[in-house]
Amino acid sequence: GAGVSQSPRYKVAKRGQDVALRCDPISGHVSLFWYQQALGQGPEFLTYFQNEAQLDKSGLPSDRFFAERPEGSVSTLKIQRTQQEDSAVYLCASSLGRGLPGYTFGSGTRLTVV
Amino acid sequence: AQRVTQPEKLLSVFKGAPVELKCNYSYSGSPELFWYVQYSRQRLQLLLRHISRESIKGFTADLNKGETSFHLKKPFAQEEDSAMYYCAMGTNAGKSTFGDGTTLTVKP
Repeated sequence: GAGVSQSPRYKVAKRGQDVALRCDPISGHVSLFWYQQALGQGPEFLTYFQNEAQLDKSGLPSDRFFAERPEGSVSTLKIQRTQQEDSAVYLCASSLGRGLPGYTFGSGTRLTVV
Repeated sequence: AQRVTQPEKLLSVFKGAPVELKCNYSYSGSPELFWYVQYSRQRLQLLLRHISRESIKGFTADLNKGETSFHLKKPFAQEEDSAMYYCAMGTNAGKSTFGDGTTLTVKP
């Protein structure tokens, strides 16, 4: 596609519910990144894929967070048993190479846990 | 530890005035530095990166390794420059570290 597409744009989840956030990167971009952005803060790194390989998941805040990119294209970020502190905008970005040319971001998914 | 600091949360200037958005970083290696911009109701987008030494929309940024800074500058601000600006530092490991952003308001 022409850009990075994320869905849903907004998600309201009850505490304890599982959620799945989808990212469709730019075709041909081998690198895919997930970031979490809390209100009033900059994006914080969660995880990084190069094709289907998850090369870095050091930013995932707990084992409730899980990401996959099974065919090296679309990626899903799953959060199990959501907590209020998970409320944030989740940004997906893709890039040629390792991200050093810079990222192309999606519009993000705003997750609100009530 | 990798860190990016943008000391100003808010910056307000008048149209036609010079503007400088500050960014300082800490990293033991040789990072790549970027500026991203987010206009109202739009997605975060890359503005410029230091390795390109380019000028985009009249903005420039020079990497000062001695002061570990990468300040964003424009000699004459325009109202359409009003936006949120994020400084970011990338490494060979792939991930980037972002500052908390500066909201620039250009008044008519």
